[in-house]
Parts: sequence; C-alpha cells; structure tokens
Amino acid sequence: GQSLEQPSEVTAVEGAIVQINCTYQTSGFYGLSWYQQHDGGAPTFLSYNALDGLEETGRFSSFLSRSDSYGYLLLQELQMKDSASYFCAVRDQGQNFVFGPGTRLSALP
Amino acid sequence: EAGVVQSPRYKIIEKKQPVAFWCNPISGHNTLYWYLQNLGQGPELLIRYENEEAVDDSQLPKDRFSAERLKGVDSTLKIQPAELGDSAVYLCASSQKRLYTQYFGPGTRLTVL
Repeated sequence: GQSLEQPSEVTAVEGAIVQINCTYQTSGFYGLSWYQQHDGGAPTFLSYNALDGLEETGRFSSFLSRSDSYGYLLLQELQMKDSASYFCAVRDQGQNFVFGPGTRLSALP
Repeated sequence: EAGVVQSPRYKIIEKKQPVAFWCNPISGHNTLYWYLQNLGQGPELLIRYENEEAVDDSQLPKDRFSAERLKGVDSTLKIQPAELGDSAVYLCASSQKRLYTQYFGPGTRLTVL
C-alpha cells in the first residue's frame, strides 16, 4: 500500500521558522512535492525534490532524504498569509501523485 | 496565461440524480487529472489522462463514475447516480508531459442531499 504521514496541525507566531514533516511508504518513488491550499482555494505548487538535499525558493525550502523516506517543508519568517493547509505528495512508479493528509498551519500575530 | 477552468463551482443535487463536471486544462498541457477531496483530507486521484487516453483509472468507481477527454483537451467527469457519500470537492489539474508541477483548478463543490 501507499501511505504518507504529516502532522495534522502546526501553530507558530509571525516571524517564526516552521517545519512541516512528511514520511512516506510507497510502491515507487520519483519525487516529493509540496502544495499549499488556502481554505476554499485550489492547491498551488510550492516545491519538488527528486534528489536528496535542500531546495530553496524564497522563504520556502524543502528537504528530502530518500534513504529515510522523509522530507520536510521549511517556512522562514512566517506571515499571516501563510496560514493554510500544506500537503506533501509522492510521485510514484505510475507517474501519479499520492497526497498526504495535510497539515493545517496557523500563524498567530 | 489562463489557469485551469472548472465548472460549475458549486452543485447541489438530490441522491440518485446524475451530475457532470467540466474541466478545461491549461493550453498545451497533455496530462489531466481528476481528484476527489474530502474535507480536511488530501486530494485522491480518480483518473489520469495522457492526451485523450485514460492511462490510470484504477481508483475510479466505474459502477457510477465515468470520464472522458475528447480530442485530448477538455474533460468531463460524470456521476450517475450520485450517493450521499459523493459529497466532496472535485478537483481538476493539468501538467505538461513528464513534468512534475500540477496546476489545479478551483474545484467543484458537490453536495448530495
């Protein structure tokens, strides 16, 4: 089977650094994506890691360790507008994406 | 560049009625996905198209769900008959072939009474 695990909720104050973890067990692995989804909105792409290491895009960074079947999304200088749900998604051997259950991030003033 | 377009945005129907959702992907995107998203959960793949071919429909409940992508552009997802448990958001996404970035539409929120 395929399963991804993420914390259900994370809360932090503005300006903080937030890390959202994702562990996965899938039948195949081609890469790990992260998506942001505001309430009532569409998921929007944040990052993709195919190889081990850290990828940085502005305030967002994403890390992957294939040997540990683990990745994380790092948000720096947290802002109120970052309050949303964040999903990790594994690209599997069928070239499909399997999404995790999501982490609801709440930024506090 | 226009994004992925879906319609309707909201639909309320009674159980056992049919319903259809329409998706227009980003121009030039060969790959089209239909997902189902329940409240508080991640999207779940229903079907993936490469051009007009359904390359993975293993998660599509074929007794009541059907989909088509004529001419490899627009796509329609149909449910007949709808059940109470079908209430969810139906998302369409598209991507360029062999690329990993999916672009999602705003979704159709279905309520079955």
